[in-house]
This record gives sequence, structure tokens and C-alpha cells, in this order.
Amino acid sequence: DTTVKQNPRYKLARVGKPVNLICSQTMNHDTMYWYQKKPNQAPKLLLFYYDKILNREADTFEKFQSSRPNNSFCSLYIGSAGLEYSAMYLCASSRALGGRQDTQYFGPGTRLLVL
Amino acid sequence: GEQVEQLPSILRVQEGSSASINCSYEDSASNYFPWYKQEPGENPKLIIDIRSNMERKQIQELIVLLDKKAKRFSLHITDTQPGDSAMYFCAASIASSSFSKLVFGQGTSLSVVP
Repeated sequence: DTTVKQNPRYKLARVGKPVNLICSQTMNHDTMYWYQKKPNQAPKLLLFYYDKILNREADTFEKFQSSRPNNSFCSLYIGSAGLEYSAMYLCASSRALGGRQDTQYFGPGTRLLVL
Repeated sequence: GEQVEQLPSILRVQEGSSASINCSYEDSASNYFPWYKQEPGENPKLIIDIRSNMERKQIQELIVLLDKKAKRFSLHITDTQPGDSAMYFCAASIASSSFSKLVFGQGTSLSVVP
């Protein structure tokens, strides 16, 4: 089973309110990623967890937080949503193969609309 | 940081003909180049990938070429079918033991017309 699940699939949020998105995988992958995708733009890596270590991209460091309570789950947290956060959020996971990370498997995404 | 340029952004081909998508990258340390296909309402799915120790890889009608000197790689779909219509993303990555940090191209919207 190479399924990555994301909840919810659609999220409506108000400006200034927090948003929490959930991702899960049962493949025992040690690395989980979060990407942001806006229309006509490439998916952009926001952060990733390798095991329990969180790595956030420099240009989105202050905007997104994440937690990984166990190997299967990873959340993406926005403390105060702004209009610019409206996008598709894609979760992915990968495992170590032959000493390096292998294919990333993507979830269906959560479409966030901030009003 | 790494940037990946993907062209064309829109591609329309006749059924049965070939389709080619080209990508270029900047970081010579990149060692892994996957291609993803995304259909409307679906998540991106890996269709083929190539590592830096190869120059060519083929899976059925999909061919990927990698030119490390020029820092370019390309996807060729031979004998296109309507089911090949989708968004295609290339990506470049440095795959280490702890992560595979993908940098995606902008995407190509491929339409295969009868």
C-alpha cells in the first residue's frame, strides 16, 4: 500500500485564524514532506521531517509549523492564516533505499481557501 | 538554491505522435530526477525517474534522457494516447540518506487530441 492520506480534502478558513492540516502514511517511511502549490506554479517545499527532526525552508520558516507525534502522522500548522495562504497543500513521504531517500509518494492534497 | 525550468508550459499533440518536455537545472550536485503526472483531482504520481549514473531510461512509451554536462533532462512520450493528457512535473533532487529534496519545474499541461 503506497497510500498517503490527507485530511481534510478541503478547508475554509478565516483570515487571522489558525489552520491545522493532517497527513498520514502506513508505509513506515522515515521522511515526510509538505509542499504548497498555487495555480500555474510549481509545488514548493515548505518543510520536511526526517524521523523526529524538523527541517523548514528558509523563506517559509516563520509561516509554517509542523509536528510529527509518531512515524505515521505529520501535521502542518498555520498560526494565523492570511489570504496568501490559499493554495493546495501536498503531503509526501519517502523511505531510505540503498543509503538514500527513494521515491516520494504524494497524498491527494488539501485545498485551503482563506477568506 | 536549486531552480528547475520546465518547457513548454502548454503542449498539444495529435494522438499517436510524440510529446517532449524539457527541463534544466542549476545545481550540479543534483543526482535524482523524477517525473510526476497529475490528473485533475488526483495527487501527483511518479511515472518515471532517472538517477545521475544513467543517461537514458525507458519504461514502455516513456523515455527519459539526462545530459549532466548541460544540466538538462527530458521526457519523451511516444505514441501518445488521450489518457496521457495531464499535467506533468519534472523535478531535480539531491537525494541523501535523510531526505530527497525535490525542486519542481513549473509543469506542462499536455493535451492529446484525436
